[in-house]
Amino acid sequence: GQSLEQPSEVTAVEGAIVQINCTYQTSGFYGLSWYQQHDGGAPTFLSYNALDGLEETGRFSSFLSRSDSYGYLLLQELQMKDSASYFCAVIPNQAGTALIFGKGTTLSVSS
Amino acid sequence: DAGVIQSPRHEVTEMGQEVTLRCKPISGHNSLFWYRQTMMRGLELLIYFNNNVPIDDSGMPEDRFSAKMPNASFSTLKIQPSEPRDSAVYFCASSMGTGVRKDTQYFGPGTRLTVL
Repeated sequence: GQSLEQPSEVTAVEGAIVQINCTYQTSGFYGLSWYQQHDGGAPTFLSYNALDGLEETGRFSSFLSRSDSYGYLLLQELQMKDSASYFCAVIPNQAGTALIFGKGTTLSVSS
Repeated sequence: DAGVIQSPRHEVTEMGQEVTLRCKPISGHNSLFWYRQTMMRGLELLIYFNNNVPIDDSGMPEDRFSAKMPNASFSTLKIQPSEPRDSAVYFCASSMGTGVRKDTQYFGPGTRLTVL
């Protein structure tokens, strides 16, 4: 079967650093993506890892360890506007473009 | 670029009625996806097309659901007859399908469907 596990909720305060973990078990693996979704909005692409290591995009970074079937999204200098749901998604094979999404992690940032 | 366009944005209908959701993908994208999102089940892939051809429809719940993509710039998702359990937000997404970021999906604003 295919499964992605991520925490359902995370809370933090402004200015803090938060790490959202994602572990996956899929029949194939080509890469790991992260998407952000604000309440009432559509998912939007944040980052992508195909190789092991850290990818940095401004305040957000994403990490992948293929041997551990594990990745995380790191959000630094948290702002209130970062309150949203964050989804990890696996690209199961190189040929296709379909994604398998996790259930999402709801991040609440307070002042 | 206008992004992925979906219509209607909201739809309220009665059980048994036919519902048609529409999607216009980003120009030049050759993969199109239909998702359903609910609190209980999260974001579920219903079907996806590549170059207008359905590739995987294993997520379509049952025969009441059907999807078409008659050309590269238009797709429909139809539910007939609709049931209250179909109430959800339906997203359409598209991706380039080629290049370094071929898998990055761009989502439309969604259609919030309520079946009474």
